[in-house]
Amino acid sequence: DGGITQSPKYLFRKEGQNVTLSCEQNLNHDAMYWYRQDPGQGLRLIYYSQIVNDFQKGDIAEGYSVSREKKESFPLTVTSAQKNPTAFYLCASSRTSRYNEQFFGPGTRLTVL
Amino acid sequence: SQQGEEDPQALSIQEGENATMNCSYKTSINNLQWYRQNSGRGLVHLILIRSNEREKHSGRLRVTLDTSKKSSSLLITASRAADTASYFCATDAGNFNKFYFGSGTKLNVKP
Repeated sequence: DGGITQSPKYLFRKEGQNVTLSCEQNLNHDAMYWYRQDPGQGLRLIYYSQIVNDFQKGDIAEGYSVSREKKESFPLTVTSAQKNPTAFYLCASSRTSRYNEQFFGPGTRLTVL
Repeated sequence: SQQGEEDPQALSIQEGENATMNCSYKTSINNLQWYRQNSGRGLVHLILIRSNEREKHSGRLRVTLDTSKKSSSLLITASRAADTASYFCATDAGNFNKFYFGSGTKLNVKP
């Protein structure tokens, strides 16, 4: 099946720990994205990447880091510098043409204990 | 600030009725998209309308775009209980590789 996967589905973290969320796609898309969603809210862009080995900060990049070493993979690290990391994290991918839809993964729910 | 904002925030209707939700945005766009999200899940793309299009249909969905008013509407006809979900509009704000999502309309269709 073609698609985008995220793991784990649920993640619990103690304060002060870094955690890495996985995102993999087999759609051969160049662009990948990370969003954060808080309860009852819309999506806010954390980081995005349009090509391997390149990525840009979104609107709320502070306390997060990413890498794009492979086309299929775009892991997100939530660092201890992120003040309020408890949220639902969504990864997406798309082509880089002018008119393109985003394909979303199922999400990872991160809870800080 | 967010580019797109949906209205109303919540909508409750009976099965069989039509549901209309609106999206307003602030700057020029290349395209506007609507997505659906079931509770606790990822988003699913519904429809994309380009800035030079005024109306688009897909099954029971009808989307309109008024670039002079910087607004769009999504109409779901003959709604079903399975349409219960949150609906988001997304705009590209002229950068077609970066998207802005609104806070969504939560639709409840009662059987």
